[in-house]
Amino acid sequence: AQSVSQHNHHVILSEAASLELGCNYSYGGTVNLFWYVQYPGQHLQLLLKYFSGDPLVKGIKGFEAEFIKSKFSFNLRKPSVQWSDTAEYFCAVTVTMDSSYKLIFGSGTRLLVRP
Amino acid sequence: NAGVTQTPKFQVLKTGQSMTLQCAQDMNHEYMSWYRQDPGMGLRLIHYSVGAGITDQGEVPNGYNVSRSTTEDFPLRLLSAAPSQTSVYFCASSLAGAGYEQYFGPGTRLTVT
Repeated sequence: AQSVSQHNHHVILSEAASLELGCNYSYGGTVNLFWYVQYPGQHLQLLLKYFSGDPLVKGIKGFEAEFIKSKFSFNLRKPSVQWSDTAEYFCAVTVTMDSSYKLIFGSGTRLLVRP
Repeated sequence: NAGVTQTPKFQVLKTGQSMTLQCAQDMNHEYMSWYRQDPGMGLRLIHYSVGAGITDQGEVPNGYNVSRSTTEDFPLRLLSAAPSQTSVYFCASSLAGAGYEQYFGPGTRLTVT
């Protein structure tokens, strides 16, 4: 079955540390890839997306992600995190399931950035 | 634009009760969906709709019904609430489908006792 895996459930970093959150998906067809963020007490919002073209995509607030097709991965990175990046991050992939097009989310990664 | 709105924000139900979670959007989006968020499981798709009059099941549809009589509204009905349906429910909409940016509502926190 198609799935989206986020291997790090909890990550704790100090400010200015570099961040990389893993995301792998199990689907062999064409995919659209997303990272969403949920700040404490807020609803989900889009961080960045990949549809086609340059596999390195840049999003808001200094985040970027790299699509590696051969590894079925779409890892999220940020060179230097800030306290305000404390949030839960979700990877999501559009897949064809039961002849329809659906958006499947990973289980999420909680990031805590210590000042 | 209000975006995607959901009511109520919080709800406590007893086992066996029914209720409807409301979702509305004012962006003229064709695609709407319902997710539930549970700790360690991320968001799981319950039902979705690609336009007025058209709905389909997601990953976890059992115990839930939906209808889409207008473009703006997409209510989620719990027919007979069970403790396993305790969760946070998010409604989302997008311009044209699952492959587009989803705009999420603020969520409804439901507890079933």
